[in-house]
Amino acid sequence: NAGVMQNPRHLVRRRGQEARLRCSPMKGHSHVYWYRQLPEEGLKFMVYLQKENIIDESGMPKERFSAEFPKEGPSILRIQQVVRGDSAAYFCASSPGGPESEKLFFGSGTQLSVL
Amino acid sequence: SQQGEEDPQALSIQEGENATMNCSYKTSINNLQWYRQNSGRGLVHLILIRSNEREKHSGRLRVTLDTSKKSSSLLITASRAADTASYFCATERSGGSNYKLTFGKGTLLTVNP
Repeated sequence: NAGVMQNPRHLVRRRGQEARLRCSPMKGHSHVYWYRQLPEEGLKFMVYLQKENIIDESGMPKERFSAEFPKEGPSILRIQQVVRGDSAAYFCASSPGGPESEKLFFGSGTQLSVL
Repeated sequence: SQQGEEDPQALSIQEGENATMNCSYKTSINNLQWYRQNSGRGLVHLILIRSNEREKHSGRLRVTLDTSKKSSSLLITASRAADTASYFCATERSGGSNYKLTFGKGTLLTVNP
């Protein structure tokens, strides 16, 4: 039973380029969450999605960042026109929803480096 | 200081010793959770303690929660080299959403063989 799968593990982008981070939730999980970990910081919530719906994007920057979780395929976190301050580890988590959602299952993260 | 702060920032012990990490928080919570993160890996959920619980055990882990002091501790007994990792506490705020956890900066635990 594969866990939460994220790819790529490492992503290097130059300033102004686009970054696309992918996340496949655990089998049977329909709820996906994205967190960001800046250097020397704890994880911070960005966005919560269910299939085809954004439920809560209160932690996501208003500009350049977007997220989707289509009916088919992985969830995508997209960062347009990246800047150095976007360099961080981006973690995806999933849960089955409902009362079982107290515990989140995290992926290994994508380390984004912006040159 | 921010919600969910662990101390110490770093802890180095010998195999077989006990390791204690503390977490303080500021707001009322529904529950507090501890996660482990091995270098370059994702977070692994260790244990959850609810606001109406005072102590919880899971294997070699013991977690306490003092809501009057807004603090929690994680005790790892008989530590092993494989316990070397960063440990984070995360809180779910009262009236908040169970997915919007607030993490601290973590304690880096090194267990020397």
